Amino acid sequence: GQQVMQIPQYQHVQEGEDFTTYCNSSTTLSNIQWYKQRPGGHPVFLIQLVKSGEVKKQKRLTFQFGEAKKNSSLHITATQTTDVGTYFCAGRSGGYQKVTFGTGTKLQVIP
Amino acid sequence: GAVVSQHPSRVICKSGTSVKIECRSLDFQATTMFWYRQFPKQSLMLMATSNEGSKATYEQGVEKDKFLINHASLTLSTLTVTSAHPEDSSFYICSARALSGRDYSTDTQYFGPGTRLTVL
Repeated sequence: GQQVMQIPQYQHVQEGEDFTTYCNSSTTLSNIQWYKQRPGGHPVFLIQLVKSGEVKKQKRLTFQFGEAKKNSSLHITATQTTDVGTYFCAGRSGGYQKVTFGTGTKLQVIP
Repeated sequence: GAVVSQHPSRVICKSGTSVKIECRSLDFQATTMFWYRQFPKQSLMLMATSNEGSKATYEQGVEKDKFLINHASLTLSTLTVTSAHPEDSSFYICSARALSGRDYSTDTQYFGPGTRLTVL
């Protein structure tokens, strides 16, 4: 079945440093979503990318969808302590409703 | 944004009992809801897709007789863990799909706060 891997699994950064997490799917995706889950909380939808090569920005967050629609990245510029949490990508293949969640990247920001 | 609630937020039960978890979309209609379970420090694993008025679609390896799903209305889906055992202890999260367009490429999933089940 479809597998979605993320790297790195964990990342500790100093506040103010940049952070990037990468998402790779074993199959071509029709779209990809990104979520953030704070410790003890539930996933919160961040964004959805649909087009090949698409780049979207949300303030300090930049999301990219690969040309082949098999990988994606999330880049955070100048991290803040409020960015702490686990970031998941979730890919959807074909016309299916379900998404497959990636393994997640846990971000820790050191003040 | 759209709000999804889950009840209860936390439940402790004895082995062999059944537990029902409710998932409600509070300010929108959800024709589709998803049930996930999440083990500590792990990703979300999709258990089943629940469509209003029809039988749920279960993922491979998920026992449909053990995890009963009912989606009786456009705002409510329930997951019943039957004859629960300690290995069923987990964080169960539902999400509801809010349509913003005619195809799945524009929809968004909104997650409930989750239910932590502990089976003694």
